[in-house]
Amino acid sequence: GENVEQHPSTLSVQEGDSAVIKCTYSDSASNYFPWYKQELGKRPQLIIDIRSNVGEKKDQRIAVTLNKTAKHFSLHITETQPEDSAVYFCAALMDSNYQLIWGAGTKLIIKP
Amino acid sequence: DTEVTQTPKHLVMGMTNKKSLKCEQHMGHRAMYWYKQKAKKPPELMFVYSYEKLSINESVPSRFSPECPNSSLLNLHLHALQPEDSALYLCASSQVNSPEAFFGQGTRLTVV
Repeated sequence: GENVEQHPSTLSVQEGDSAVIKCTYSDSASNYFPWYKQELGKRPQLIIDIRSNVGEKKDQRIAVTLNKTAKHFSLHITETQPEDSAVYFCAALMDSNYQLIWGAGTKLIIKP
Repeated sequence: DTEVTQTPKHLVMGMTNKKSLKCEQHMGHRAMYWYKQKAKKPPELMFVYSYEKLSINESVPSRFSPECPNSSLLNLHLHALQPEDSALYLCASSQVNSPEAFFGQGTRLTVV
């Protein structure tokens, strides 16, 4: 079946440095790719998304890039802060049933 | 109002109990979802309602019974659950055929 692979599973960076999380997807017809942030004990929150008609999207310190040919997309967080510590999930929208396929998640740890 | 409200926040129930989880939204969304999330895993889709009708059931055991009484409310009735059903149960809503879902804070369910 269709799947989304996400790496790394854990990422530890120094406060102020950048963090990059990568995902690959299998459904070549997917055209919507959201990123969710989930803090401990809280709900997943959509932080940024990208559609297949663009290659990059930025929102302040967060950016997402998409390479449709290679079927991968990445989340970039610059100038990381302690409040960026959370689990981040990528997802891809399946064209066949319009449902999200989720990556396994990346635990981001910001070291002070 | 951009909130999806779930009650209760926490629930402990025995394997012979019957209980219900409730979800409410007032964003005019006509698609509502139930997800199950185990620790350190992504949310797993259980049910989707579109226009108050069940459109997707991801082969969920019959001990979970969803109900959508109106366009703002979604319930999940629980009966004869197993300890492995202990998880965070998340409700979400969106416009129909929009992947941009808003999540509730979840109900932390423990089955003893």
